[in-house]
Order: sequence, then structure tokens, then C-alpha cells
Amino acid sequence: AQSVTQPDIHITVSEGASLELRCNYSYGATPYLFWYVQSPGQGLQLLLKYFSGDTLVQGIKGFEAEFKRSQSSFNLRKPSVHWSDAAEYFCAVEPENTDKLIFGTGTRLQVFP
Amino acid sequence: GAVVSQHPSRVICKSGTSVKIECRSLDFQATTMFWYRQFPKKSLMLMATSNEGSKATYEQGVEKDKFLINHASLTLSTLTVTSAHPEDSSFYICSAEEGPNEQYFGPGTRLTVT
Repeated sequence: AQSVTQPDIHITVSEGASLELRCNYSYGATPYLFWYVQSPGQGLQLLLKYFSGDTLVQGIKGFEAEFKRSQSSFNLRKPSVHWSDAAEYFCAVEPENTDKLIFGTGTRLQVFP
Repeated sequence: GAVVSQHPSRVICKSGTSVKIECRSLDFQATTMFWYRQFPKKSLMLMATSNEGSKATYEQGVEKDKFLINHASLTLSTLTVTSAHPEDSSFYICSAEEGPNEQYFGPGTRLTVT
């Protein structure tokens, strides 16, 4: 079945530490891939997206993600986390030939000072 | 960036009544808008695709007569939850498509049905 998996429900890191949030998908072809962040009271904000080309994608707020076709993964990374990064992070895919977003279940990031 | 608003941000209604939620694209025109539902600690689930000037396309399992969608202009889509029941309580989020593969999300509406 087609799905988007975020294995980590909740991650806690110390401020300044590095971060990696995992995302795996199962679709026949390479879909478009997205990472969104959701903060309380705010709409989902797009961090970055991958359509094609360079598999390492740079986004806003110092985030990057790497598409690995062999692993069907699109993990989000940040070298040094800030307290303001605490939020819910969603991986999403847009299957080929659709304009619908399929979301993962999200990863809640908590940052300790 | 493009801004999408939702109104109201929170609403409490009694069981059996109807509630309308508005989604507006403030600085761009959106031929297509989407409505999602988010359960606690769960992902966003696409409910329907709203196309300006035509009928909405509902996802499997979503009752079109219960969740009425109207996209009467290029900047406004509305979702009406008819005859609401407690199980309809949820967080409803809309998005508007500014261009291909470019969805901008509203802040969401928390619906509580008592």
C-alpha cells in the first residue's frame, strides 16, 4: 500500500545538537517530496521540497534533506538545532500525476536548553 | 510568501447544528484549494479538493452531504459541517494552490461539537 512513514513520533534534543528526522515512502515512482513544519497557532510552513535533480536539498531555517532512491527515504537534517525549532514536522509526498499531498504522521521535536 | 487565512480559528457548536469555515487566499488567486482534517497526534488527512466554479472532489470515505464545500471565487472556499456531531470535532486545515505543486496552508480551525 502507498504510504508515508515517519518512524519517530517524538524526538528530544539539546539546543545546539544536530538533528535528523526520518521519512520513508512507498510509491511505485518517485513522487515529489516535501517537509513541512507546524507550530501552534500557525499554518504548515514549507521547509523544503524535492522534485528532481540534486538529491541534497537546502531549505529555510538551516534545514536540508537528502533524497535516497535506494532507500525510499527523504530525511530532514539540521546541524545545530535552536530552541525555536521545537514544533511538529511532517513529511509529505505528492504521488506522480496528482496534486494531492499525502502526509506522514509527524514527528514532534522538543528542544532542551 | 503567500498567505492563507481561516475563519474562525476556534468554534464550539451544539450537536445537530451546522458550522461554516472559511478559507481565503489573501494575496493570490487559487483555482484549487484543499481541505484536510487532523486528528490529535495524527497526520493530516485530505478530505476534498475544491475547484473554483465546479463541484468539489471528495476523498474516499468522506461524506459529501455532511461536509459541503463551496469554492465560489478564486480567493474563497468554504467548508460547512452539516448536522455536526461530537465525532466531527477535529482540527480542519485548508490549503490553497498558488501554482503547480505549491500549496500554502491556513492556520487551521478547531471545531468542538458538544
